[in-house]
Amino acid sequence: DSGVTQTPKHLITATGQRVTLRCSPRSGDLSVYWYQQSLDQGLQFLIQYYNGEERAKGNILERFSAQQFPDLHSELNLSSLELGDSALYFCASSVGRMNTGELFFGEGSRLTVL
Amino acid sequence: AQSVTQLGSHVSVSEGALVLLRCNYSSSVPPYLFWYVQYPNQGLQLLLKYTSAATLVKGINGFEAEFKKSETSFHLTKPSAHMSDAAEYFCAVSSSGGYQKVTFGIGTKLQVIP
Repeated sequence: DSGVTQTPKHLITATGQRVTLRCSPRSGDLSVYWYQQSLDQGLQFLIQYYNGEERAKGNILERFSAQQFPDLHSELNLSSLELGDSALYFCASSVGRMNTGELFFGEGSRLTVL
Repeated sequence: AQSVTQLGSHVSVSEGALVLLRCNYSSSVPPYLFWYVQYPNQGLQLLLKYTSAATLVKGINGFEAEFKKSETSFHLTKPSAHMSDAAEYFCAVSSSGGYQKVTFGIGTKLQVIP
């Protein structure tokens, strides 16, 4: 058990809909990362937050947005969903600043868009 | 800027044979290097990490990796493959200091043949 909790584990929805994925980092971790994993594109970095502030942005679509709340949990919002958004979405956390960068991953949220 | 190149998206070895998964990195500052393993339907978990101490790093499940600065490599090895080693392996790099942007390679799927 990594200590990172992601909900929901599975989600099935239709094209055009909007979903929210939630992540609770390990106790004490200030950084949260979101990754998308699909068969054709591998593990893609989406976005990173540190203590509530956005720190790095990767290949995140404009239809996607994220935030980290004062209690350090994070949410990834996916809107106007398309079939190609079907993927496994991982959240990871780390202590953050002046850390070795070791990440602790949740078990992922599997999104299926029909 | 930092990047990771994993040579070979699929590697097959016989049970009992040497496992060698290749990783080369690029980083403008002294790097931290990691190998993560992902078993089917699970999140990534840390196998081992290099953080500028000993260049030969030992991890879990009998795996080890050697940091070679002159070759910018961090290859993962295991003397004798076991069926339970079948998984996907990701090499990753983060820069020392700061907010630790972590960059992953494309992953290498290891198949172990009985």
